[in-house]
Amino acid sequence: QKEVEQNSGPLSVPEGAIASLNCTYSDRGSQSFFWYRQYSGKSPELIMSIYSNGDKEDGRFTAQLNKASQYVSLLIRDSQPSDSATYLCAVNKFDEGSQGNLIFGKGTKLSVKP
Amino acid sequence: DAGVIQSPRHEVTEMGQEVTLRCKPISGHNSLFWYRQTMMRGLELLIYFNNNVPIDDSGMPEDRFSAKMPNASFSTLKIQPSEPRDSAVYFCASSLVILLDQETQYFGPGTRLLVL
Repeated sequence: QKEVEQNSGPLSVPEGAIASLNCTYSDRGSQSFFWYRQYSGKSPELIMSIYSNGDKEDGRFTAQLNKASQYVSLLIRDSQPSDSATYLCAVNKFDEGSQGNLIFGKGTKLSVKP
Repeated sequence: DAGVIQSPRHEVTEMGQEVTLRCKPISGHNSLFWYRQTMMRGLELLIYFNNNVPIDDSGMPEDRFSAKMPNASFSTLKIQPSEPRDSAVYFCASSLVILLDQETQYFGPGTRLLVL
């Protein structure tokens, strides 16, 4: 059973702080990992992808992957009120005969207080 | 690029009516995905196509749901007959899948469906 789990939150952090979002997944065969941001009433948009163990940095965002622990995280440095949104973790695995699809967690709602 | 286009953006219908949702993927993308999002269940994959061929429809809730992709630039998701529990936001997404690499999925704006 493929599962992606996230703490639903809400996670509340003060402006300028580091927000840490966590995700665990159940399928050890998973190969690709994504973080999407979804503002209220809008569609998900990709902010980070990561494929290898370790850290990947893009501006204020850092994605961390630990395949042995089946754990993915997203750090947001210098959090801004505009970062307030729901963050969706998505995991991909290619099954035999499949071109691959994403399994999404239910998302963590982040609130950054001015 | 115009991005993924979905229509209608909002749909209100009565139980038992047929509902057709439409999607135009990003030009050049070879994979198309239909998702449903609710507060209770989150974002669920309903079906996805690769090169216009349905690959995995295990997420389609029941026979009332059907999806087609007659060509690379158009797909429909049909619900017949609709029920109140079908009320949700339906997203279409497209991507360019090269070999075994899962490229970024780009989401359309969604269709908000309310079945009374």
